[in-house]
Amino acid sequence: AAGVIQSPRHLIKEKRETATLKCYPIPRHDTVYWYQQGPGQDPQFLISFYEKMQSDKGSIPDRFSAQQFSDYHSELNMSSLELGDSALYFCAGRASGYGYTFGSGTRLTVV
Amino acid sequence: AQSVTQPDIHITVSEGASLELRCNYSYGATPYLFWYVQSPGQGLQLLLKYFSGDTLVQGIKGFEAEFKRSQSSFNLRKPSVHWSDAAEYFCAVGAGGTGFQKLVFGTGTRLLVSP
Repeated sequence: AAGVIQSPRHLIKEKRETATLKCYPIPRHDTVYWYQQGPGQDPQFLISFYEKMQSDKGSIPDRFSAQQFSDYHSELNMSSLELGDSALYFCAGRASGYGYTFGSGTRLTVV
Repeated sequence: AQSVTQPDIHITVSEGASLELRCNYSYGATPYLFWYVQSPGQGLQLLLKYFSGDTLVQGIKGFEAEFKRSQSSFNLRKPSVHWSDAAEYFCAVGAGGTGFQKLVFGTGTRLLVSP
């Protein structure tokens, strides 16, 4: 069965650069969540979208923004990258009444 | 707001021995409860989930968990651990019912399996 697709799998950026992470949920999963997992940490919620509208917001820095498109895929845009942004970024999709399905994550390394 | 506590940071179990990982949650309404497993550098794989009904849920890889509302717990168990079970285990809670509620994760328990 198709799973949640995240791209790229790995990304290396320099400080102050920008990055865009993409998430393609399972078909008909209309809600998308973004999480950040630092080394040795539990996943921390960043932001979520339902039907292209932001539905909840967590500890997302102002330097980050995200959106969901009409095909339900989502993009996380990160600007002025800092060393502390190095982490594994997960997205998860969900349809009402169903569980959450996570992608394999994008590992971002800021050097 | 919901929260999850996993009191054990590390657990070491001998291969073939039984396993129980503890999880306590805080949530006022009916929770959705999940256990995920994560190998180093990998994504989160769902082991099992509880939405409602039978409080003993079966998952993949021989895992099971029991929801105990009176104790606000959702402990994960496996009768016989295999070396391949060594990983990080996360318990998570989400809001029950419809809606767009995020998952809140515990801090994880790292399982080490000794020969």
